[in-house]
Amino acid sequence: EAQVTQNPRYLITVTGKKLTVTCSQNMNHEYMSWYRQDPGLGLRQIYYSMNVEVTDKGDVPEGYKVSRKEKRNFPLILESPSPNQTSLYFCASSFQVHYEQYFGPGTRLTVT
Amino acid sequence: AQKITQTQPGMFVQEKEAVTLDCTYDTSDPSYGLFWYKQPSSGEMIFLIYQGSYDQQNATEGRYSLNFQKARKSANLVISASQLGDSAMYFCAIHSYNFNKFYFGSGTKLNVKP
Repeated sequence: EAQVTQNPRYLITVTGKKLTVTCSQNMNHEYMSWYRQDPGLGLRQIYYSMNVEVTDKGDVPEGYKVSRKEKRNFPLILESPSPNQTSLYFCASSFQVHYEQYFGPGTRLTVT
Repeated sequence: AQKITQTQPGMFVQEKEAVTLDCTYDTSDPSYGLFWYKQPSSGEMIFLIYQGSYDQQNATEGRYSLNFQKARKSANLVISASQLGDSAMYFCAIHSYNFNKFYFGSGTKLNVKP
């Protein structure tokens, strides 16, 4: 089954404790992206990747890191999480950048 | 920079009626794509329809159509014959061909009444 998977689905952590949210797709897509969703703000793009080893900042990259060492994986790293990073996070992938995106199920992160 | 505006935070529609969800956008790039996504209460994001800036005809996908008015920079989603399962949040998004970022609107919550 073609899908985008994210882990964990739910995470409660404390300020400053490094965490990684994994994202994997099995569709051989080139373009992958991370978004955060906050009430009233819609989805905002954090980082995106055009292909392996090619990543770039989205609209709200501060406090986040990413890497794309393999085509299928695109982890999101929060080196020192803060409460303002409490949000719902989505990973997405598409065949190429201007095609429809397939979204993962979301990761709900709470930073206390 | 690109910007998407959805001015209707919430809407109601009677089952079996048509409804239009508004979306206006701003971009300086002549080449761009417009997308609509649906987010049910379960949380997943579902792609509905796409319109390219150079497409001459409005996009249609089943009960969904996109009313694309380029000069007015609007890309409204029309849902015909609403069903109870259409109750959800709907997001409009833009992607510019010269930049690789996506911008989403704040969404419209649609409630379909029986």
